[in-house]
Amino acid sequence: GESVGLHLPTLSVQEGDNSIINCAYSNSASDYFIWYKQESGKGPQFIIDIRSNMDKRQGQRVTVLLNKTVKHLSLQIAATQPGDSAVYFCAENIPSWNQGGKLIFGQGTELSVKP
Amino acid sequence: DARVTQTPRDKVTEMGQEVTMRCQPILGHNTVFWYRQTMMQGLELLAYFRNRAPLDDSGMPKDRFSAEMPDATLATLKIQPSEPRDSAVYFCASGLTGGYMNTEAFFGQGTRLTVV
Repeated sequence: GESVGLHLPTLSVQEGDNSIINCAYSNSASDYFIWYKQESGKGPQFIIDIRSNMDKRQGQRVTVLLNKTVKHLSLQIAATQPGDSAVYFCAENIPSWNQGGKLIFGQGTELSVKP
Repeated sequence: DARVTQTPRDKVTEMGQEVTMRCQPILGHNTVFWYRQTMMQGLELLAYFRNRAPLDDSGMPKDRFSAEMPDATLATLKIQPSEPRDSAVYFCASGLTGGYMNTEAFFGQGTRLTVV
């Protein structure tokens, strides 16, 4: 049937500021979460991951926070740079007994960094 | 430099024609995913394989789509017959899974399919 086109949430930040991108995931049984970055014309690229037994994980300039109570994930980017401009997706692994599970993506957030 | 390779990068075809997209997963990875990306639906999971066995293809239109892994180095996604609404970017991703544990999925560059 007819579908309404996706209107991606957009976050616009100034270069040097910190960015916070949020994601609500769907399944309370999800045990593993990944943030991906997708630039135009390319496939999604891994940024950082977190397992469900943690609530925070830090990488280089990025931090992921997990709140399982409200099924919420966030990605914090410190000192945002123009090269960070892209669409960011969160993905959740929905487990299946003895099969590792399947990776389901959220709708994405477009980050625009103003120089 | 290990990466997922997809061919072709771009495909334009006429409605009703068969389309085959190919994916070479990263050597040693035992899990392969096929996704479709459109502006309307975002990134949809079509099917995935573990150790070459299909585990879930519930996201795939069964009447026209089929996914296979003839061997550990090749995954294919076929559409027959193709329709204009199949126009999208199709991504393959591979990862390593042991028991309950997944690692991240590595994506190919995608196949941009246009059905006219």
